[in-house]
Amino acid sequence: QKEVEQDPGPLSVPEGAIVSLNCTYSNSAFQYFMWYRQYSRKGPELLMYTYSSGNKEDGRFTAQVDKSSKYISLFIRDSQPSDSATYLCAMSQKNSGGSNYKLTFGKGTLLTVNP
Amino acid sequence: GAVVSQHPSRVICKSGTSVKIECRSLDFQATTMFWYRQFPKQSLMLMATSNEGSKATYEQGVEKDKFLINHASLTLSTLTVTSAHPEDSSFYICSVGVSRGYTFGSGTRLTVV
Repeated sequence: QKEVEQDPGPLSVPEGAIVSLNCTYSNSAFQYFMWYRQYSRKGPELLMYTYSSGNKEDGRFTAQVDKSSKYISLFIRDSQPSDSATYLCAMSQKNSGGSNYKLTFGKGTLLTVNP
Repeated sequence: GAVVSQHPSRVICKSGTSVKIECRSLDFQATTMFWYRQFPKQSLMLMATSNEGSKATYEQGVEKDKFLINHASLTLSTLTVTSAHPEDSSFYICSVGVSRGYTFGSGTRLTVV
């Protein structure tokens, strides 16, 4: 079982739709949970960061973490064509040396928002 | 978050040659930088952790003699792909940050022909 599982999609929705993206994980040592957006041939851009169970909202984006179920979600409200990108979940834990945090990524979900 | 500049954005090289990729932290003194590789339609895979003034830490399965990392200052880390082969063709991305909210460079598309 992979540490982080993410449905790669692709996911296609009409403009204005609510988008739900999800990841599950198996490693209880993960402490921080992030969502990144990656446009084609670009580096990932941090969208949301959380560390506790519950919801965190930022504009049209809501990140949800359920540590008991080892499940995280990203909701996008009123989706726009400019939201079309690959969305990667990522989780971090301290590495074996204890001095840094190691990121583990999901495979990414390719989202297309159609005008 | 930090601002990260990565150069070059694209490079094509002949098989057997070496290629150097630079990663600069423009507004953050980064004692640690991270190097990732991403194959098409795959996720980012951590290759190594670059430590300023000391040896890099490589992930299992990554050849340290092939992927040379130098982190000589708090603002610059370099990744050199030595004796490149077509299977090394990939998207290489660096990042900086601590514990959360890592900032990534724009990536380098390496094509070995």
